Amino acid sequence: DQQVKQNSPSLSVQEGRISILNCDYTNSMFDYFLWYKKYPAEGPTFLISISSIKDKNEDGRFTVFLNKSAKHLSLHIVPSQPGDSAVYFCAAIHSGTYKYIFGTGTRLKVLA
Amino acid sequence: GAGVSQSPSNKVTEKGKDVELRCDPISGHTALYWYRQRLGQGLEFLIYFQGNSAPDKSGLPSDRFSAERTGESVSTLTIQRTQQEDSAVYLCASPQWAANTEAFFGQGTRLTVV
Repeated sequence: DQQVKQNSPSLSVQEGRISILNCDYTNSMFDYFLWYKKYPAEGPTFLISISSIKDKNEDGRFTVFLNKSAKHLSLHIVPSQPGDSAVYFCAAIHSGTYKYIFGTGTRLKVLA
Repeated sequence: GAGVSQSPSNKVTEKGKDVELRCDPISGHTALYWYRQRLGQGLEFLIYFQGNSAPDKSGLPSDRFSAERTGESVSTLTIQRTQQEDSAVYLCASPQWAANTEAFFGQGTRLTVV
């Protein structure tokens, strides 16, 4: 049972435009969500997070939106840069279980 | 240390052999997680440590897999009698404390079973 889903395995965006990466979840008990970026041959690096009590969190070019009623979150990158090209994973956690559940990732390619 | 360190970075082993993967978490971080990523898959939870005990080992795929942690520091993931389906990148993560905070990942150990 895939509790966290990233339905788009890949996404290509022109440099300077907006990248929107989507993530859906099924477990309404999740109360914290994170986005990670992963370059080849490296471990995932934390990007941005959001608590379930918020619907938006912004950090520079990165904004995460949470729609609890739809069980959907998205990561917006504006403007997109070639260095943003990587695999992006969303993760969710229910604090009572201490287990981060990851999606399968979306490979973003930003074209120069 | 400054970050999470894993060793070896690459391991090729013959089917049926045992392997040990090591994780040195960030000093002072009490929680530690092991994940793996098989080709084309997402990150799969294996086990979670709080201190030296493992309250959640529900993700270990079989009894060939075991993990321990000592001194609230180094953790070792052991895979006995490796199988080809064990081939994956094994990742260790070290949040400052369990849950609701970012988990810092090591660079992973790429295990190939031939």
